Amino acid sequence: AQSVTQPDIHITVSEGASLELRCNYSYGATPYLFWYVQSPGQGLQLLLKYFSGDTLVQGIKGFEAEFKRSQSSFNLRKPSVHWSDAAEYFCAVGGPTPQKLVFGQGTRLTINP
Amino acid sequence: NAGVTQTPKFQVLKTGQSMTLQCAQDMNHNSMYWYRQDPGMGLRLIYYSASEGTTDKGEVPDGYNVSRLKKQNFLLGLESAAPSQTSVYFCASSLESRDQPQHFGDGTRLSIL
Repeated sequence: AQSVTQPDIHITVSEGASLELRCNYSYGATPYLFWYVQSPGQGLQLLLKYFSGDTLVQGIKGFEAEFKRSQSSFNLRKPSVHWSDAAEYFCAVGGPTPQKLVFGQGTRLTINP
Repeated sequence: NAGVTQTPKFQVLKTGQSMTLQCAQDMNHNSMYWYRQDPGMGLRLIYYSASEGTTDKGEVPDGYNVSRLKKQNFLLGLESAAPSQTSVYFCASSLESRDQPQHFGDGTRLSIL
């Protein structure tokens, strides 16, 4: 069975600073990887996804993620954060069927002005 | 474009009461899901439905039942509410391929007293 670990429960960065959120996965086959964002009181919104091909994936809101098979990682990055990026971020790995999607515990991002 | 709509948004129940959470999607998706979100635990799958008329258990199905009588609707029932079922519940839908992302509603915040 697949699993996802997001090592950082809470991260605080200053507005304008760069951001990297970590995600490590465990899955025996080619992973299908997703990053979702959840603003307070809202549902999850897809930021980006990786299935194959270029290991650097571009998403919405200026986010990107890099798939590194050797490290079993799919870290999310943004060069310069905005106050509106404060939210909770979830990494997820897809299994052999659509319903076998497994989410990490989430990383809460706080932005200092 | 409504996407996935959940009702109600908030609900308070007393222990032992029953209720049904409703979910509707207008994207013609075959697959639908119910998750619960608890602090520090990410999202856990309660039940899913791969198509109209079919349902299957997820990771945490005890104390819940579901119904998928119409393609666009997926209902989650609590038979006899318990305080341990206090949570935020999310409905999601997707196409049936594992490379397709799930689309989420805004959630139902449920408190059991």
